[in-house]
Amino acid sequence: DAGVIQSPRHEVTEMGQEVTLRCKPISGHNSLFWYRQTMMRGLELLIYFNNNVPIDDSGMPEDRFSAKMPNASFSTLKIQPSEPRDSAVYFCASSFQLATEQFFGPGTRLTVL
Amino acid sequence: GNSVTQMEGPVTLSEEAFLTINCTYTATGYPSLFWYVQYPGEGLQLLLKATKADDKGSNKGFEATYRKETTSFHLEKGSVQVSDSAVYFCALKPSGGTSYGKLTFGQGTILTVHP
Repeated sequence: DAGVIQSPRHEVTEMGQEVTLRCKPISGHNSLFWYRQTMMRGLELLIYFNNNVPIDDSGMPEDRFSAKMPNASFSTLKIQPSEPRDSAVYFCASSFQLATEQFFGPGTRLTVL
Repeated sequence: GNSVTQMEGPVTLSEEAFLTINCTYTATGYPSLFWYVQYPGEGLQLLLKATKADDKGSNKGFEATYRKETTSFHLEKGSVQVSDSAVYFCALKPSGGTSYGKLTFGQGTILTVHP
């Protein structure tokens, strides 16, 4: 069975460029979560969706970050413009419902030069 | 707010040694508690969980008991293997309220097991 799919796995870009990270949740899962992992701040929840609707985006660091979920099988996290401090591993996770186990994707390692 | 505190690492052990990674939490009500493991270059995987006080979660030789009185969920394994080398995260999920569905993670503990 396919797990959570994220693309790209690695992204290197220059400061000021737009970055789009993609996530395909497990089929049938209704909740989707975006996390960021850094050495300094650990694992942080950025935003999560339930039935394609954003429920809580209080973890989104600033207006440069935006996330969408146009349908049940696809979500994007966009950073525009990107900055070096955005360098991190970004994880997407999905769950059948909000209260059930979250399954994590392999992550996207973002480096902003 | 909710928070999780793990013992600082890294933890370095020899194969077959006993492992304990301490985890304490702060939360209102009765959250569910989790241990996740992250192997190099991979995402997090659920290792075990407990949903109410005195529950013991177990998997792959790892165990953790939900202790409400000490707000703890310490991870233990009697005999570690080299393949257990990974980063371990303690986490909680509230049972309700405005944070329903949100996992709060500890900072992670790096475990290295030598042959």
